[in-house]
Amino acid sequence: ETGVTQSPTHLIKTRGQQVTLRCSSQSGHNTVSWYQQALGQGPQFIFQYYREEENGRGNFPPRFSGLQFPNYSSELNVNALELDDSALYLCASSLRGNDGYTFGSGTRLTVV
Amino acid sequence: DQQVKQNSPSLSVQEGRISILNCDYTNSMFDYFLWYKKYPAEGPTFLISISSIKDKNEDGRFTVFLNKSAKHLSLHIVPSQPGDSAVYFCAASGRLGTDKLIFGTGTRLQVFP
Repeated sequence: ETGVTQSPTHLIKTRGQQVTLRCSSQSGHNTVSWYQQALGQGPQFIFQYYREEENGRGNFPPRFSGLQFPNYSSELNVNALELDDSALYLCASSLRGNDGYTFGSGTRLTVV
Repeated sequence: DQQVKQNSPSLSVQEGRISILNCDYTNSMFDYFLWYKKYPAEGPTFLISISSIKDKNEDGRFTVFLNKSAKHLSLHIVPSQPGDSAVYFCAASGRLGTDKLIFGTGTRLQVFP
């Protein structure tokens, strides 16, 4: 079975720009969660998608938005980028109701 | 408000000895606790979990202990190996596979020969 794949692996953007990060779920998983890991911190929950609907959101502003597609892949969109958005963005998939989240390797976003 | 805390940012242990990583939490509603291991340039990898109805769970060299009255859990690695050198995150959750994970800030473990 394939794991969780994220693209791109690294990205540099300018403050004020918009960015889209992509995630392909592990085969058989129907739930996708996104996390932000700032330097020296643990991952922080952004939001979760189940059956293409947002199903829980962390303490992030509305300029962080997402999508889940019928094949359970997902996108994270961030508008009006700020310097503090520089972080590792992790996608995790799971099979709802079962244990275990599988994480991707992340996208390292740098905002300059 | 940090609901899951790992107060030791780093730990250095000799190969073959025991590594003990600690984690404290504040929310008594958590149902599951998990440990993840993270190497640089990789995503967190699940190690071991424990349900709030248990006080111990073992998997090979890894054992997690849960003390609900103290709101404390620990991960024991015996014997420690150089390949165990990584950042270890403690996380807590409501319903697994459904609820979000709340992570601690991590402990960097270095196992030296």
